[in-house]
Amino acid sequence: EAGVAQSPRYKIIEKRQSVAFWCNPISGHATLYWYQQILGQGPKLLIQFQNNGVVDDSQLPKDRFSAERLKGVDSTLKIQPAKLEDSAVYLCASSLDRGGLRAHEQYFGPGTRLTVT
Amino acid sequence: KNQVEQSPQSLIILEGKNCTLQCNYTVSPFSNLRWYKQDTGRGPVSLTIMTFSENTKSNGRYTATLDADTKQSSLHITASQLSDSASYICVVSGKTSYDKVIFGPGTSLSVIP
Repeated sequence: EAGVAQSPRYKIIEKRQSVAFWCNPISGHATLYWYQQILGQGPKLLIQFQNNGVVDDSQLPKDRFSAERLKGVDSTLKIQPAKLEDSAVYLCASSLDRGGLRAHEQYFGPGTRLTVT
Repeated sequence: KNQVEQSPQSLIILEGKNCTLQCNYTVSPFSNLRWYKQDTGRGPVSLTIMTFSENTKSNGRYTATLDADTKQSSLHITASQLSDSASYICVVSGKTSYDKVIFGPGTSLSVIP
């Protein structure tokens, strides 16, 4: 079974520039998550999609971050304009969410390491 | 407020030694608790998953315990190997698909020869 794919793996931009990340979840997974992980900390949920609808975006800085999941499959996360404090690893995860013990079991992609200079 | 706390923040042990990592949570209502291992530069990978009715779950040299009454979990690593060097993250899930999945800050483990 193919895992969660993310691209690019690394990105270096200057502050005030824009950047976009792409995620392709595991086939058949209804729920997709974007996390921000700052060095030395656990992942922080930015946005959660159930199919192509937003379930939770309470921690997404909406003035500069946006995300979409067209057709309920792959997703893009955009930052515009970037700030120095956005330097982090951006993780994408997906889950089946059919209930039971495996509810919420998330499979993570390798992440995109963003450096804002 | 739903929270997950982990201790210690970081740990250095000699290869071959055992260690125990702690997780305390306040998430309620509670569905399940997972331990993830995150190697440097990679996404987290699930090690164990336990529901409120389970006390212990093993995965090779990794053994997780759960006390749902005190809301505490531990991850015990036996006969550590250099490849165990990673961040270990405790994750607690609420009851439904729409409940929050709360991540702890992680414990950074370094195993040295």
